[in-house]
Amino acid sequence: AQSVAQPEDQVNVAEGNPLTVKCTYSVSGNPYLFWYVQYPNRGLQFLLKYITGDNLVKGSYGFEAEFNKSQTSFHLKKPSALVSDSALYFCAVRDMEHYGQNFVFGPGTRLSVLP
Amino acid sequence: EADIYQTPRYLVIGTGKKITLECSQTMGHDKMYWYQQDPGMELHLIHYSYGVNSTEKGDLSSESTVSRIRTEHFPLTLESARPSHTSQYLCASSEYPLSGGTVDTQYFGPGTRLTVL
Repeated sequence: AQSVAQPEDQVNVAEGNPLTVKCTYSVSGNPYLFWYVQYPNRGLQFLLKYITGDNLVKGSYGFEAEFNKSQTSFHLKKPSALVSDSALYFCAVRDMEHYGQNFVFGPGTRLSVLP
Repeated sequence: EADIYQTPRYLVIGTGKKITLECSQTMGHDKMYWYQQDPGMELHLIHYSYGVNSTEKGDLSSESTVSRIRTEHFPLTLESARPSHTSQYLCASSEYPLSGGTVDTQYFGPGTRLTVL
């Protein structure tokens, strides 16, 4: 069975500081991993995905994520946070071998960037 | 910018009314989804479809029903709305991966916020 954990409900960071939003996953095979962001009263926007290859994936708005197979993690990072990055962030996973299977989304982490 | 649309964006109705939430996508995606999300909370998959005439129930039991008569259209219907149906409903679509090499990134609509009084 697939599962995703986002161990922090809330992350607070000062503007200009680096940010990390954590995600760990469990799949029986190899994972496809995704990050989405949700702003208030909006749908989810796709940020980035890991399929295969380079463990460091770059996405929209200066975000990047690092795939770590041994730690089964896919943490989202940004070198310098902006107030406008404040939003709800969701990690999602799908087992690479079970194409057609649905995504599993994590519970979400609320990021607050303080001016 | 994903070409997936939801109407209405906001809806306030009385108990017992029948409502249909519309979702359309212009990307030619085969697979479509409905999620229910309380504000700021996790997503729950309530329905999905692999293509025309295909509908499946998701992980969370829901009193709503869906239909898929056209590829681009995936409406969700509540026959008799109740206050417990108050929530945000998100529609999404993706390509249906025919092989392991295809990655089915989901694209989301803006959501419909439903309030049942």
